[in-house]
Amino acid sequence: DTGVSQNPRHKITKRGQNVTFRCDPISEHNRLYWYRQTLGQGPEFLTYFQNEAQLEKSRLLSDRFSAERPKGSFSTLEIQRTEQGDSAMYLCASSPSGLANYGYTFGSGTRLTVV
Amino acid sequence: DQQVKQNSPSLSVQEGRISILNCDYTNSMFDYFLWYKKYPAEGPTFLISISSIKDKNEDGRFTVFLNKSAKHLSLHIVPSQPGDSAVYFCAASFSNAGGTSYGKLTFGQGTILTVHP
Repeated sequence: DTGVSQNPRHKITKRGQNVTFRCDPISEHNRLYWYRQTLGQGPEFLTYFQNEAQLEKSRLLSDRFSAERPKGSFSTLEIQRTEQGDSAMYLCASSPSGLANYGYTFGSGTRLTVV
Repeated sequence: DQQVKQNSPSLSVQEGRISILNCDYTNSMFDYFLWYKKYPAEGPTFLISISSIKDKNEDGRFTVFLNKSAKHLSLHIVPSQPGDSAVYFCAASFSNAGGTSYGKLTFGQGTILTVHP
């Protein structure tokens, strides 16, 4: 297993377009998290799944954002009608059922630039 | 509302000396704390953690101290090495009623550590 994989690594899109990111977690991890990080800030929680169930969503996650984890494996994060303020690094992480002893494992992120 | 704060944006130390990174939190419900290290163009990497039932945890050159009454934690790196140069984030979480599971992490803003040879 090569860890948490995120695709694409970089995405440049025009304002108003829709984008979709993919995250493949570590296979035996049943929890999957999405975070967003902007310059000079720490990662901000967006949402997380346990298996295929979405257990929590942040207020930051407007109705333009939707995340899915069909079959409890990979996850997708879609942003509709992108705005310049959506430009950020989108990080995915996975963990065994909330056992934080070893922390999450993060992917390298998808950097989104909205022009 | 910034529940986890790292008030020092940057820290510069000489190789071989001690690096001390600080973090304050406001939510008394937090009962698990973690430190992550991040290199450019990579995701954060877990470094060390501490439960609120402890006040110290060591792992090699890294030690985390927790002062619950002051709602303060710190990460000590001894001795510091040039390869430790990175952004360090502290993060906090709280457990479920049974104390067996943790959910989302709340991160601080990060501290850029530079270790000079």
